[in-house]
Amino acid sequence: DADVTQTPRNRITKTGKRIMLECSQTKGHDRMYWYRQDPGLGLQLIYYSFDVKDINKGEISDGYSVSRQAQAKFSLSLESAIPNQTALYFCATSDFDEQFFGPGTRLTVL
Amino acid sequence: GIQVEQSPPDLILQEGANSTLRCNFSDSVNNLQWFHQNPWGQLINLFYIPSGTKQNGRLSATTVATERYSLLYISSSQTTDSGVYFCAVDTPFAGNNRKLIWGLGTSLAVNP
Repeated sequence: DADVTQTPRNRITKTGKRIMLECSQTKGHDRMYWYRQDPGLGLQLIYYSFDVKDINKGEISDGYSVSRQAQAKFSLSLESAIPNQTALYFCATSDFDEQFFGPGTRLTVL
Repeated sequence: GIQVEQSPPDLILQEGANSTLRCNFSDSVNNLQWFHQNPWGQLINLFYIPSGTKQNGRLSATTVATERYSLLYISSSQTTDSGVYFCAVDTPFAGNNRKLIWGLGTSLAVNP
């Protein structure tokens, strides 16, 4: 089984809808991250969490919120999706330095 | 902030050829990782290599931290090596704002 899983893997939604992307990990890591990737670019950090009680904004947090339900679970929400949030979203975990990525969620906002 | 530059931006190889990808960074780093993003979008960890040399099959990597660069070597390339190769670094001075800084990647196409 994969160490870092993301659901859904693909999602098409409409402008204004609320969307939740979920991430689970079995690596036992405290640190979890959400990134987005736009075509032709590297990854940009949305939010990160160093433990269940710690949530921090990344470089592009506007329009997003997160919830760290447990050590193993970190969810990303788009409260009111807009077309420029169409992107590939990755969840990652780390113990201290090396980060491990989930398979990604391809989100399209029409 | 720290800058990460990768070269070349694009590379086309014939199957069986060797290649070297480069990652330059502008400041001291605590962590450097190489990733392969396959054509389906999945990010695969290749190396965690803040310094020194590592090898894994046909791939190897060397980071010279004092000179602020890292090299990824691909030998006997195969069509499955196609995709984008990213270098990402983590600065030791970011405090609570620690994050990976990503290069723009090298897009590799290996032709049969």
